[in-house]
Amino acid sequence: ETGVTQTPRHLVMGMTNKKSLKCEQHLGHNAMYWYKQSAKKPLELMFVYNFKEQTENNSVPSRFSPECPNSSHLFLHLHTLQPEDSALYLCASSRGSGGAEETQYFGPGTRLLVL
Amino acid sequence: SQQGEEDPQALSIQEGENATMNCSYKTSINNLQWYRQNSGRGLVHLILIRSNEREKHSGRLRVTLDTSKKSSSLLITASRAADTASYFCATALMDSSYKLIFGSGTRLLVRP
Repeated sequence: ETGVTQTPRHLVMGMTNKKSLKCEQHLGHNAMYWYKQSAKKPLELMFVYNFKEQTENNSVPSRFSPECPNSSHLFLHLHTLQPEDSALYLCASSRGSGGAEETQYFGPGTRLLVL
Repeated sequence: SQQGEEDPQALSIQEGENATMNCSYKTSINNLQWYRQNSGRGLVHLILIRSNEREKHSGRLRVTLDTSKKSSSLLITASRAADTASYFCATALMDSSYKLIFGSGTRLLVRP
């Protein structure tokens, strides 16, 4: 247990569905991240939130919409996805103090399949 | 082009042998970190080495960093079947220490 939980763990959705991924951290951290991990590709950083403010959007298509209502919760709202969006979506958190040594704590991921 | 690239992409060794994985990167870093991922799960932080450090140990792990060559290595000594996983290096850039850039990983298989 890393202190970061993600739900659901598995999700199958059609291209016209709307769904949301949830991440919660119990570590008192202030920075939260969404990553996409596709087969045979490096981990791709999608979004970064620091003290609830979005500080990074790595050119992610608008069909992915993040939401960070507080420092402990992060959502990824999905709408009109494509089959190539099928991947493991990982959430992570870190202290977010901007210090020189930020290590990230990852959740177990949501395995998403878009049909 | 990506910041971190691991070498080899895959490594298969016998239990008890040592495993060495290498990571190269392109730009100046604040620190470099190694993470481990079991199949289809989240990543787990293993060790962090600062840019002014050359070597660091943690249990059976030994990490080296050569900033002149922009490279790092992770050595796992006396490997066990439970070490089977993917290993990723991640670099924290000078201007954004809380943002990590991950490499493509090395898949390690330790045969019992």
